[in-house]
Amino acid sequence: QVQLQESGPGLVKPSQTLSLTCTVSGGSISSGDYYWTWIRQSPGKGLEWIGYMYYRGNTFYSPSLKSRVTISKDTSKNQFSLNLSSVTAADTAVYYCARSPGHCSSTSCTGYFDYWGQGTLVTVSS
Amino acid sequence: SYELTQPPSVSVSPGQAASITCSGYKLGDQYASWYQQKPGQSPVLVIYQDSKRPSGIPERFSGSNSGNTATLTISGTQAMDEADYYCQAWDTTTGVFGTGTKVTVL
Repeated sequence: QVQLQESGPGLVKPSQTLSLTCTVSGGSISSGDYYWTWIRQSPGKGLEWIGYMYYRGNTFYSPSLKSRVTISKDTSKNQFSLNLSSVTAADTAVYYCARSPGHCSSTSCTGYFDYWGQGTLVTVSS
Repeated sequence: SYELTQPPSVSVSPGQAASITCSGYKLGDQYASWYQQKPGQSPVLVIYQDSKRPSGIPERFSGSNSGNTATLTISGTQAMDEADYYCQAWDTTTGVFGTGTKVTVL
């Protein structure tokens, strides 16, 4: 059974960088069958897709966040990470990591999200 | 940008069927998936590739997708199905979620 667990600071100051890690157990992030995803949900709001990473390091980001987002991996620890720079109060949200059976070419992606972490609340405040 | 529009709320009596629509331009040309989210919990995949159910999801959940609309149907709705539901698809290489629908079982 695949399990994902987010970890990182629950409080980040405005203008700083939000950094989260997702630890995957029960499966390898080096599997070519899956993409690894970050999704967030602002309090009382809907789901927002942040970005996607393949085991080879290919990444795809939401256009609205692209200038501030980096998703990377540590294969030795079976982890992938999210960095979001220059945060504001609008970045306050529950952040989820998820696994996606999917595929991306240079022009299109497919896929869905079959396993999710429990989510971690990150508050941006001074 | 690509938008997926859902009704904000759907009410249903126990045992009756609930249908939730998800509208987007030429949505039927790609696969749609659906997620159930209960308060304080992570979303759960209930339908993928338009109409497939993951292991462990009850048969009362079904899906379809054609034209500009994907539909999630809950047959014989139970109190435990009360939750928020989100559709999901793609805008080229960007994942897009629907606006979400709150299903209330009266």
